[in-house]
Amino acid sequence: EAQVTQNPRYLITVTGKKLTVTCSQNMNHEYMSWYRQDPGLGLRQIYYSMNVEVTDKGDVPEGYKVSRKEKRNFPLILESPSPNQTSLYFCASSYRGSSSYNSPLHFGNGTRLTVT
Amino acid sequence: AQKITQTQPGMFVQEKEAVTLDCTYDTSDPSYGLFWYKQPSSGEMIFLIYQGSYDQQNATEGRYSLNFQKARKSANLVISASQLGDSAMYFCAMREFSGNQFYFGTGTSLTVIP
Repeated sequence: EAQVTQNPRYLITVTGKKLTVTCSQNMNHEYMSWYRQDPGLGLRQIYYSMNVEVTDKGDVPEGYKVSRKEKRNFPLILESPSPNQTSLYFCASSYRGSSSYNSPLHFGNGTRLTVT
Repeated sequence: AQKITQTQPGMFVQEKEAVTLDCTYDTSDPSYGLFWYKQPSSGEMIFLIYQGSYDQQNATEGRYSLNFQKARKSANLVISASQLGDSAMYFCAMREFSGNQFYFGTGTSLTVIP
């Protein structure tokens, strides 16, 4: 089954304790991205990747790191989480070709992170 | 400027009635795609329907249709014969030719009343 797998689904942590949210897709998509969703703000892009070893900042990259060492994986790293990073996080992937603007994003099931 | 604007934070519709969720967009790129996603209370994001900027006909997928008015830069989602399971958040999104970013609106919460 074609899917984007995110883990964990729920995570409660304390300020300053490094954490990683994993994301893997099995659709051979070049494009992968991380979003955070907060009430009233919709989805805001954190980082995206156009292909292996190619990453770039989205709209809200502060406090986050990513890496893309393999095409299928795109982990999100919070080196020193803070309470304002409490949010619902989504990983997503998409085909990226000459007509990529017509390719939808495929989302993981989300990770609900609470930082106390 | 906002790339995607959804002006209806919340909407109510009677079961079996049709409902229109508004979406306007802003781009100078002649090539772009417009997408609608559904987010039920369980949280996952479900892709519903796509409209390309060069498509002459409005997109339809079952009970979902997209009312695309290019000159007005609007891409409204129409849900016909609403069902209780349609109660969810709905997000409009756009992807430009460069394909680097998807832009999302703030969403519309739809409640279907029995």
